Amino acid sequence: QLHLQESGPGVVKPSETLSLTCTVSGFFIDSSTYYWGWIRQPPGKGLEWIGFLYHTGTTYYNPSLKTRVTMSVDTSMNQFFLNVSSVTASDTAVYYCARRSPQSEGSWFDPWGQGTLVTVSS
Amino acid sequence: EIVLTQSPGTLSLSPGDRATLSCRASQSVNKFYLTWYQQKPGQSPRLLIYGASTRAAGIPDRFSGSGSGTDFTLTISRLEPEDFAVYFCQQSDTFGPGTKVDVK
Repeated sequence: QLHLQESGPGVVKPSETLSLTCTVSGFFIDSSTYYWGWIRQPPGKGLEWIGFLYHTGTTYYNPSLKTRVTMSVDTSMNQFFLNVSSVTASDTAVYYCARRSPQSEGSWFDPWGQGTLVTVSS
Repeated sequence: EIVLTQSPGTLSLSPGDRATLSCRASQSVNKFYLTWYQQKPGQSPRLLIYGASTRAAGIPDRFSGSGSGTDFTLTISRLEPEDFAVYFCQQSDTFGPGTKVDVK
């Protein structure tokens, strides 16, 4: 059964870089046409798409975050990664990783990891 | 940039009621890319409907989606206690603000 798990520091200092890992189990990242994505949710608020990537390393970023976001993948470890640089308090959120559909199947994320809360604070 | 508006912000209903949730796009969109999720407190979002009207695996048939162009609807025919949650629509890589369905 496909399962995704986020991991990383729970607190990041302002101006530093937030780094998260998503570990995928029950499915090989490079075995199909699915993408792998990141979404975040500030406490008590709605969802914001951060971006997604293909196992080849091709990336698609939210234009509003593009200058600060980098995503990458390690197929040998079945993991993919998120970096957000120059963080501020507005980057405080629960960060989710999720599998994203191929464009030929629509535009949906399923399943999602349980999420990890990252707080930006000095 | 497409903006999604969901209404109402909060829907107060009783178990057994019918729930009708709206998702409106700022411009016409391809319904193939319209998705609905359910999120309960402390949980991750759960895929309900994709392609505007196709139920995801394991989703009860009391959930249905419809619409095209700029107007889309998620209908829950008879609310069960476990259906009280927040519902988000998504078009490609934009999410709506959500509609909370709570107990009247």
